[in-house]
Amino acid sequence: EAAVTQSPRNKVAVTGGKVTLSCNQTNNHNNMYWYRQDTGHGLRLIHYSYGAGSTEKGDIPDGYKASRPSQENFSLILELATPSQTSVYFCASGDRGQGDERLFFGHGTKLSVL
Amino acid sequence: LAKTTQPPSMEAYEGQEVNVSCSHTNIATSEYIYWYRQVPHQGPQFIIQGYKDYVVNEVASLFISADRKLSTLSLPWVSLRDAAVYYCIVTGGSALGRLHFGAGTQLIVIP
Repeated sequence: EAAVTQSPRNKVAVTGGKVTLSCNQTNNHNNMYWYRQDTGHGLRLIHYSYGAGSTEKGDIPDGYKASRPSQENFSLILELATPSQTSVYFCASGDRGQGDERLFFGHGTKLSVL
Repeated sequence: LAKTTQPPSMEAYEGQEVNVSCSHTNIATSEYIYWYRQVPHQGPQFIIQGYKDYVVNEVASLFISADRKLSTLSLPWVSLRDAAVYYCIVTGGSALGRLHFGAGTQLIVIP
């Protein structure tokens, strides 16, 4: 079974502080993704990566940075956290291939910015 | 990316078969259809994928209309653990692996 592990599971941060959300996958997948999920919005893509060293902007990248130092790890960074970034964040991994765009998700990180 | 339309919610009794429909009228020839589900406090979980006709696996079956503009996810004998939000996603080709999740269909299972 493919495995994606996120840490921390829960995080409380202060406005203006720096927050780093971490994701590790043991699937040897090339692609990794960060989404946020808010009531009424479904999942929205923040950043994604095609491999170590690459990061790409998703649909809502403002206020977020991403880092992919290795095949296994993909981090989401909030340099100056704001209350509007309070949300549940999901990391996912997958391999791009025609007809196989399956993604494997972590359990999520609940972030509260006070 | 082709847009999808699903009913916002459905109800079913335990033991019933449930069919969740999804309309994707602008689906491109390069795009495939994927279904995921999500239970509270967990990430979405892949269920099934297909391109045309009929696909079945150990969890569900997927019927795709001949013009590929409509798909139906079928869950046989639903139980309480099938209560979840079900997402229909269409992607492929230039999407470069990005999946866009909409609001999905909330399945309510009645004991």
